[in-house]
Amino acid sequence: ETGVTQTPRHLVMGMTNKKSLKCEQHLGHNAMYWYKQSAKKPLELMFVYNFKEQTENNSVPSRFSPECPNSSHLFLHLHTLQPEDSALYLCASSGGSGRGQETQYFGPGTRLLVL
Amino acid sequence: GQNIDQPTEMTATEGAIVQINCTYQTSGFNGLFWYQQHAGEAPTFLSYNVLDGLEEKGRFSSFLSRSKGYSYLLLKELQMKDSASYLCAVSGHTGGFKTIFGAGTRLFVKA
Repeated sequence: ETGVTQTPRHLVMGMTNKKSLKCEQHLGHNAMYWYKQSAKKPLELMFVYNFKEQTENNSVPSRFSPECPNSSHLFLHLHTLQPEDSALYLCASSGGSGRGQETQYFGPGTRLLVL
Repeated sequence: GQNIDQPTEMTATEGAIVQINCTYQTSGFNGLFWYQQHAGEAPTFLSYNVLDGLEEKGRFSSFLSRSKGYSYLLLKELQMKDSASYLCAVSGHTGGFKTIFGAGTRLFVKA
């Protein structure tokens, strides 16, 4: 596996379900991100982790719970979601040596539908 | 704070040249990025500018003027596959380095 991978690619869940999204990066980066992308809206930054420590929580509701066990893995735990949470959830990573180390590389995303 | 403006949609003809503009406001400027995003897919990195001037990479070029808070992405010899959204993103320092994304410019390439 290379780059940034995400599983599952598609997820349908009810409002009472609990599910988790997984992201893994194979780029040796030290920062990982969760974004939400709704139709016709800009990317919304949700969480940022640097060296496993959360450095940004962009006022995200508590029904979204991130976990970063190490610099290569990032999870987003979901519980009691609302239909308006339906969106594409993108994971990204960044970090490295030299110019442009803040360049973010994205995973393919998880398309989530909440019924 | 940080803010990015770019046109919502543009249409161009196959084989032509198109310029997508981006204006931004940020403090502690640390770089400007362009990403391409096809419908239903993840954004992919196109270019990075941190110094004023033009960066060329094949059919794509990106220009930056830090004093004007302005950038553009130039696409030459347009192909149908270039139909996508183009996202301008800026990294700045607001209590820590942070990158924000514009809403994207949806480019339609017609035959």
